[in-house]
Amino acid sequence: NAGVTQTPKFQVLKTGQSMTLQCAQDMNHNSMYWYRQDPGMGLRLIYYSASEGTTDKGEVPNGYNVSRLNKREFSLRLESAAPSQTSVYFCASTVETGPNYGYTFGSGTRLTVV
Amino acid sequence: AQSVTQLDSQVPVFEEAPVELRCNYSSSVSVYLFWYVQYPNQGLQLLLKYLSGSTLVKGINGFEAEFNKSQTSFHLRKPSVHISDTAEYFCAVSDLDAGGTSYGKLTFGQGTILTVHP
Repeated sequence: NAGVTQTPKFQVLKTGQSMTLQCAQDMNHNSMYWYRQDPGMGLRLIYYSASEGTTDKGEVPNGYNVSRLNKREFSLRLESAAPSQTSVYFCASTVETGPNYGYTFGSGTRLTVV
Repeated sequence: AQSVTQLDSQVPVFEEAPVELRCNYSSSVSVYLFWYVQYPNQGLQLLLKYLSGSTLVKGINGFEAEFNKSQTSFHLRKPSVHISDTAEYFCAVSDLDAGGTSYGKLTFGQGTILTVHP
């Protein structure tokens, strides 16, 4: 099935541990995004990649790094996890323009940092 | 968009009643507008979008929204809700450049939890 695949679905980390969230899309989209969702705050953009080889900071980039490995894959890394990074993380992709413009989201990664 | 405000954090309603979820945005440029729905423990699904053309947009599951440029609003409506419409709804906006192309980034509102009671 075409779409956006995120792994893992759930993760518990101890403060200071590191991990990488994986995201892959098979829709040949150039643009990919990482958002975090917190209660009452909607979704906030962490990083995005307009095309393979480029990445840019979003609204809340501190504590995160990203890699656009190729056109399909866009990973998010937490180098030293903190309790404030407990959240649900969503990856999304889209075409850049035209009538099909609009995000397709993955199913999310629920991360708890203790 | 500088900001997106969903005016109600929670909306309780009885089954078969009409509902309106309100969304206002602030932006100094032209925009694309979206409504997404999130069912419990799931990802976000596109309900409808306004890119251009008619300001009244129809989406899935009987929802519709109207773009009002002068009031910078994009309210979501459904004439008769079902229990299965219980979910969280997000309004989102993407700014356009001078050529009418999206910058790509969506700014989301805080979400509105719609609860439909029997």
